Amino acid sequence: EDQVTQSPEALRLQEGESSSLNCSYTVSGLRGLFWYRQDPGKGPEFLFTLYSAGEEKEKERLKATLTKKESFLHITAPKPEDSATYLCAVRGPYGGATNKLIFGTGTLLAVQP
Amino acid sequence: DAGVIQSPRHEVTEMGQEVTLRCKPISGHDYLFWYRQTMMRGLELLIYFNNNVPIDDSGMPEDRFSAKMPNASFSTLKIQPSEPRDSAVYFCASSPYAYSKNTEAFFGQGTRLTVV
Repeated sequence: EDQVTQSPEALRLQEGESSSLNCSYTVSGLRGLFWYRQDPGKGPEFLFTLYSAGEEKEKERLKATLTKKESFLHITAPKPEDSATYLCAVRGPYGGATNKLIFGTGTLLAVQP
Repeated sequence: DAGVIQSPRHEVTEMGQEVTLRCKPISGHDYLFWYRQTMMRGLELLIYFNNNVPIDDSGMPEDRFSAKMPNASFSTLKIQPSEPRDSAVYFCASSPYAYSKNTEAFFGQGTRLTVV
């Protein structure tokens, strides 16, 4: 069964203190790993898609990386406005009902000034 | 584009009442998804449509839940009768054609449902 596990559940950082969030997955035939950011009271907002092991993508203070078993979201010198819940999701192989995203339960990040 | 539009934003109803949630996807997107989010279970896929046709409804919790997509620009999720355990935030999302690289899903702002 396809599964996504995120850790830690919650993370508190001081402004400027870099860290990483983890997303471990099991899926037969990965067809995309997705990172989303969700602010309180809002829908998830798309950040990155990674398709193959070794791929990396960056956006401002965020960098996402992918291996065959997990993905990391690295946050460099975070600011209070980076505080949010970060969600990871995977999409499985072609065939059948294949376009659904399976989400992890997220990491709640709080960055204190 | 205004993005995915959901209504209402908040709904409070009494147990046993019928509840209808509405969604307008992004124009041109072939796929529409209904998700439910709770603290305990996170984001769960309930059902998704491709070109207005339901493809996978295995996540619909029980027969009290039903979803329709009468045309490419409108979908509804109905709960009848509603129960307190249905209280959650319900999200609608849409995405372009599956076999393109740009296949991320775009989410609406959600409907917070409270059943008392």
